[in-house]
Amino acid sequence: QVQLQESGPGLVKPSGTLSLTCAVSGGSISSSNWWSWVRQPPGKGLEWIGEIYHSGSTNYNPSLKSRVTISVDKSKNQFSLKLSSVTAADTAVYYCAKLTAPKVYWGQGTLVTVSS
Amino acid sequence: SYELTQPPSVSVSPGQTARITCSGDALPKKYAYWYQQKSGQAPVLVIYEDSKRPSGIPERFSGSSSGTMATLTISGAQVEDEADYYCYSTDSSGWRFGGGTKLTVL
Repeated sequence: QVQLQESGPGLVKPSGTLSLTCAVSGGSISSSNWWSWVRQPPGKGLEWIGEIYHSGSTNYNPSLKSRVTISVDKSKNQFSLKLSSVTAADTAVYYCAKLTAPKVYWGQGTLVTVSS
Repeated sequence: SYELTQPPSVSVSPGQTARITCSGDALPKKYAYWYQQKSGQAPVLVIYEDSKRPSGIPERFSGSSSGTMATLTISGAQVEDEADYYCYSTDSSGWRFGGGTKLTVL
């Protein structure tokens, strides 16, 4: 059973960079899967941010592409998200996930607030 | 940019059939996936590849797709099915979630 756990600061200042890491356990990040980040602003819907393959190939949401970097660290079995130039609109619960069906796994989510 | 359009809300009485639609231009060529999200919880996949049901999902959940519309059907909806439902699909520019549909069962 694959388990995902997000970690990172819960508070980021406006114009700063949001950085989160997702630790993968119970399976190898080098398996044939794409690893994704999804966010959900309070009271709103889900937004796909992007995904990475263990080779380092990435796909990003066009609306966020200029500010997003997703990377993978195979030695630590984890992948990471960086979102630059954040504003209050980036306040959300951030989830890491393996969305390749039918075995889909989500982290519990972590709330990141953008505020000074 | 590519959009998946869902009705904001659907309401049924217990035991009735609930149908939630998702409209998108790429759906004739791309699969639709459906997620259920209850308050304060991570989403759960209930339908994948238009009509397949993951293990552990009740048989009352089914999916179909025709043309530019995918449909999630809950036959004999239960009170515990009350949740937000999101369709999920892709086009050449990446993956997308629909705006979500709040299902009320009462």
